[in-house]
Amino acid sequence: AQKITQTQPGMFVQEKEAVTLDCTYDTSDQSYGLFWYKQPSSGEMIFLIYQGSYDEQNATEGRYSLNFQKARKSANLVISASQLGDSAMYFCAIRGGSGTSYGKLTFGQGTILTVHP
Amino acid sequence: DVKVTQSSRYLVKRTGEKVFLECVQDMDHENMFWYRQDPGLGLRLIYFSYDVKMKEKGDIPEGYSVSREKKERFSLILESASTNQTSMYLCASSLTGVNTEAFFGQGTRLTVV
Repeated sequence: AQKITQTQPGMFVQEKEAVTLDCTYDTSDQSYGLFWYKQPSSGEMIFLIYQGSYDEQNATEGRYSLNFQKARKSANLVISASQLGDSAMYFCAIRGGSGTSYGKLTFGQGTILTVHP
Repeated sequence: DVKVTQSSRYLVKRTGEKVFLECVQDMDHENMFWYRQDPGLGLRLIYFSYDVKMKEKGDIPEGYSVSREKKERFSLILESASTNQTSMYLCASSLTGVNTEAFFGQGTRLTVV
């Protein structure tokens, strides 16, 4: 079985500052993928960034980067230079690569980020 | 443009009714998923399908069933709706592979009264 834990129900950040959203995962798979999604108040789910379990470098996509620490089973999202439009719910997810978790996409509880002007 | 379409945005049903939530994707994706989203609980996987007529239980399948007769369509069925199934339901689809992102529909807010 695979699991995602997001321990921060809510986070606040000042505009233009950086913020880190925590994500830890549990899986027995050797091959897996980690994803972050953003859900604004409109409700749509927006894919942000992906990290593969065999990737040696941390993934980056514009202002988003993923701090991947495999030994600690953590995949924290870092948003640099926060903008008001970053205020949203953020979900971390894991996709299994073998066995009973193959193909399964499991999400965490989410973190609500509020950016203050 | 990639599209996952859920048949209804809002739905109100009575306790005991049989409810069908429909999801259609136009991307020729093998995998399709049904989630429910509740405050504080995030997205919880109900069922997923990795091919036509193939399905796997997710983490909370009780009270639900699914049907996938065609590749593009994945239906979620509440055999006898109950008030604790009041929730936001999200459908998603993706290609096969750990590195493939899922694309989501706009969600169906179901209220069971």
